[in-house]
Formats: sequence, C-alpha cells, structure tokens
Amino acid sequence: AQKITQTQPGMFVQEKEAVTLDCTYDTSDPSYGLFWYKQPSSGEMIFLIYQGSYDQQNATEGRYSLNFQKARKSANLVISASQLGDSAMYFCAMRRPGFQKLVFGTGTRLLVSP
Amino acid sequence: GAVVSQHPSRVICKSGTSVKIECRSLDFQATTMFWYRQFPKQSLMLMATSNEGSKATYEQGVEKDKFLINHASLTLSTLTVTSAHPEDSSFYICSASPGLLETQYFGPGTRLLVL
Repeated sequence: AQKITQTQPGMFVQEKEAVTLDCTYDTSDPSYGLFWYKQPSSGEMIFLIYQGSYDQQNATEGRYSLNFQKARKSANLVISASQLGDSAMYFCAMRRPGFQKLVFGTGTRLLVSP
Repeated sequence: GAVVSQHPSRVICKSGTSVKIECRSLDFQATTMFWYRQFPKQSLMLMATSNEGSKATYEQGVEKDKFLINHASLTLSTLTVTSAHPEDSSFYICSASPGLLETQYFGPGTRLLVL
C-alpha cells in the first residue's frame, strides 16, 4: 500500500528565509508522481509543484522547489524567501501510475513571522 | 491554469434534510472527478471517484446510499448528502484533472454544518 508521511506538524520561519517541509513516501511501484498542495485558511487546495519518479531533475516552480531523493524516498518542499502569505497547511501527495487517485500526507502547518 | 468551482461554499441545514453540492470544471472537461472530506486539522480523505456516465466508485467505509454522486456531464459532478446528521458536518472538497496523467485541481470546498 502507498503511504505518505509528513513528520512535521508545524513549522515556523521568519519572513525572507527559506524553509524545508519534509515528505517521505512508501510505494512498491517503480513509477509514481509526487505533488505538493497548499491549503490556506480559506480551505482551497492550491497546486504548487509536481515531480515524476523518472524525472531527472528536481522540479522547480518560482520560489518552490522539490528536493527529490528517490533512494531515500523523500520529496521535500523547499520554499525560498518566505512571505507572510505562505502561512498555510502544506500537503504532500502521491499518485500511482495509471490511477488518478491521490494519497495525501497529514500535512504541515507553516507559520511565517514578520 | 485549470479552474474548478464548487457551490455552495457553505451550507447550514437541519438534521434529516438532504444537501446537494455541485462541482464544476470551468475550462476543461473531466471524465473523472473526486470527492474528499476533511475534518478540522486533518488531512483529506477520499470518499469516492466520480465517473462521467457511470456509477461512482466509493472508498471503503463510505456509505454510497448516504453520499450520492452523480456525474451527469463532463463538467459537472454532484454530491448529495442524504438525511444529513450532525456527524456529517465537515468540509467537502472536489477535484478534477483534464486528463489521466494531468495534475488534479481542486474546488474551493464546501463547509457543511448540520444542526
């Protein structure tokens, strides 16, 4: 069975600093996709970044980058130059090949302070 | 990017009534949509996969007679919570993707409160 683990229930970071949110996963599938979503207090789920298991390079999207270490089965999200608006819940998710279903981790609450 | 809408954004109803929640993909067609439930400070729990033109696939432990799903068109799926009770109070959120290997985009969610 697939499983996503986010061990940090909460993280604090000062504005303009970088922060890493951890995500480890467990799967026996050789091919899979990894996603990060942001959920602000309003509740909407905002797609941030995607990493395919066969992608050679780590994914980047603006201030977001994914530190993908396949051998360690980790897919940590790095947010550079944190902003106050980054305060939210962050969820890591995985998708199996041939399926559209996502398996979510328990989330990490990020608080950015001035 | 792909946009998914949900209506209503919040609803309060009396125990025993039924509530319908709509999920629409605004700028793409989706043969498959997903319905999730989220309790406060918890992760998203997949309830069911909604398939256009066929029956929904429910996750283990989700009562299909309680949570009726209808995927009538390629841009609309509805979730009806039948005979709602206070324990059905939750945040319901849908998602859809433009294609099988595409990213899932989420609606803004619906907060249901059953009194």
